[in-house]
Amino acid sequence: GQNIDQPTEMTATEGAIVQINCTYQTSGFNGLFWYQQHAGEAPTFLSYNVLDGLEEKGRFSSFLSRSKGYSYLLLKELQMKDSASYLCAVIDSNYQLIWGAGTKLIIKP
Amino acid sequence: KAGVTQTPRYLIKTRGQQVTLSCSPISGHRSVSWYQQTPGQGLQFLFEYFSETQRNKGNFPGRFSGRQFSNSRSEMNVSTLELGDSALYLCASSYAGGGTDTQYFGPGTRLTVL
Repeated sequence: GQNIDQPTEMTATEGAIVQINCTYQTSGFNGLFWYQQHAGEAPTFLSYNVLDGLEEKGRFSSFLSRSKGYSYLLLKELQMKDSASYLCAVIDSNYQLIWGAGTKLIIKP
Repeated sequence: KAGVTQTPRYLIKTRGQQVTLSCSPISGHRSVSWYQQTPGQGLQFLFEYFSETQRNKGNFPGRFSGRQFSNSRSEMNVSTLELGDSALYLCASSYAGGGTDTQYFGPGTRLTVL
């Protein structure tokens, strides 16, 4: 079967750095997305990785290792508004998006 | 540019009834995907429509169906509702779809089945 694993919940302090991991086992791989979803709102696009390595976009970075079936989202200089769920999604061989259950990130002052 | 809109935002139905949800994509987007979101389960893919044709389908029973109109607006129908159908239903639009295109989500329709 296809599987995406993310931690259910993480807690971090305002101003700190947090890394949210995502491991996947899917039938094929055609890319990986990270989305942010605030409570009661729609998911919004954060990043897309298809090649190995680190993609940096402001305070957010996303890393991919295809050989390890592993990605992480790195959030720096955490702000209270970063409290949200972070969703990892993999594009499989049929070009279908397989979604993880999401990681709820709680930021404390 | 207006975002993705979904109607209604909230819906309460009883078991056995049927329901139709509507999604209007971003102007110019031809792909609409539908997802079911429940706590702890993440987003479950229902189906994707592109230019009025169903291009991809997830593992949901035939009670779940959809269609897309020539203006790219899409509807999703669930017949013979069950308690387990209670969920947030999200639609997402993209220009070309096919999985690799960034998706833009609507606010969702919260369906409660009693």
